[in-house]
Amino acid sequence: QKEVEQNSGPLSVPEGAIASLNCTYSDRGSQSFFWYRQYSGKSPELIMSIYSNGDKEDGRFTAQLNKASQYVSLLIRDSQPSDSATYLCAVTQLNNDMRFGAGTRLTVKP
Amino acid sequence: GAVVSQHPSRVICKSGTSVKIECRSLDFQATTMFWYRQFPKKSLMLMATSNEGSKATYEQGVEKDKFLINHASLTLSTLTVTSAHPEDSSFYICSARDGFSSYEQYFGPGTRLTVT
Repeated sequence: QKEVEQNSGPLSVPEGAIASLNCTYSDRGSQSFFWYRQYSGKSPELIMSIYSNGDKEDGRFTAQLNKASQYVSLLIRDSQPSDSATYLCAVTQLNNDMRFGAGTRLTVKP
Repeated sequence: GAVVSQHPSRVICKSGTSVKIECRSLDFQATTMFWYRQFPKKSLMLMATSNEGSKATYEQGVEKDKFLINHASLTLSTLTVTSAHPEDSSFYICSARDGFSSYEQYFGPGTRLTVT
């Protein structure tokens, strides 16, 4: 089992819709959770971090964490074509090592 | 957010030569720096983790004599690809973390290495 799993996609949504990105992790002791956005040919950019169960909202982005289910998600409201990118889920384990999922490719169609 | 720079952004070198890539944290102290490589349309692959003043910890399968990492200060880490071969051509990305204050990692813009 991979440490951090994401559906590779591609996930395609129409402009203005909600994009829902999901991630599961295997280490039950994980403490910190992150979402990064990576445009093609560029390096990852941190867009959200979440540390406790529940929802965390930042603009059009909402991260959701459920430690009991070992599940973290990212919702993007009012999706824009500029949101088209690969979204990486990252999880920090007790030993502080950060593990990345393989990423979900999102396409927002105008 | 925190800023991490990387230099050069793009380099082409001949097979058998060595290339040094610099990674700098510009507005925070990077207690830990990470080096990744990424092939086209593939996920990030962690190569090594370095703590300031200590030897780097390499991931399994990464040759430490080929990929020399130095983290001599809290703002600078370097990766030297020695005796480069065409199969070393890749996108190399560093990231840095201020371990004093958070678990967040901030990425540099990456270095695209092409070995001819």
